[in-house]
Amino acid sequence: TQLLEQSPQFLSIQEGENLTVYCNSSSVFSSLQWYRQEPGEGPVLLVTVVTGGEVKKLKRLTFQFGDARKDSSLHITAAQPGDTGLYLCAGGFNSGGSNYKLTFGKGTLLTVNP
Amino acid sequence: KAGVTQTPRYLIKTRGQQVTLSCSPISGHRSVSWYQQTPGQGLQFLFEYFSETQRNKGNFPGRFSGRQFSNSRSEMNVSTLELGDSALYLCASSFGSGPSEQYFGPGTRLTVT
Repeated sequence: TQLLEQSPQFLSIQEGENLTVYCNSSSVFSSLQWYRQEPGEGPVLLVTVVTGGEVKKLKRLTFQFGDARKDSSLHITAAQPGDTGLYLCAGGFNSGGSNYKLTFGKGTLLTVNP
Repeated sequence: KAGVTQTPRYLIKTRGQQVTLSCSPISGHRSVSWYQQTPGQGLQFLFEYFSETQRNKGNFPGRFSGRQFSNSRSEMNVSTLELGDSALYLCASSFGSGPSEQYFGPGTRLTVT
């Protein structure tokens, strides 16, 4: 069973602070995705990383995929209240033959206070 | 392009009843996946359908079933509802099968009393 552990589970910070959330596994993933989910809505894809060591930037968000493709981090610079939400990582892996599965972590609930 | 739609948005059922949830994917998307989201377990994969065939299945009892129609719309059925089935049920569509970029609907909030 491929498991993804996300930390911290909860994070409450003030506007303007920087933060990093982590996504770790003992399994190797072919790809890793980050989503953000706001209350009452479904998750929205932020980024997909596929290469070990890959770094992607999306405005104030920086995503990194570990060299061994077992872990990932999301760094937010100068957080804003609009960044509030549940951040989910999801790893893709081959479950046999041509079948691929996507497994999700439980998420980090981020609150950015004005 | 219209997003993924799910109906109904909210549902209250009694233990022992059955329920059917509906999902309409983004036009052109052939894969539909279903997930159950609870505070304790997070997002758990139920099953994926691609071109009317179930491609993947999660570790849920047989009370949970699904199907996909020729227009890619999908339905999920839960029979003999239990209190523990109370959750947000999310549908996601993607162009290809497997760990492609998933586009989620707003979910159906099911409460079992």
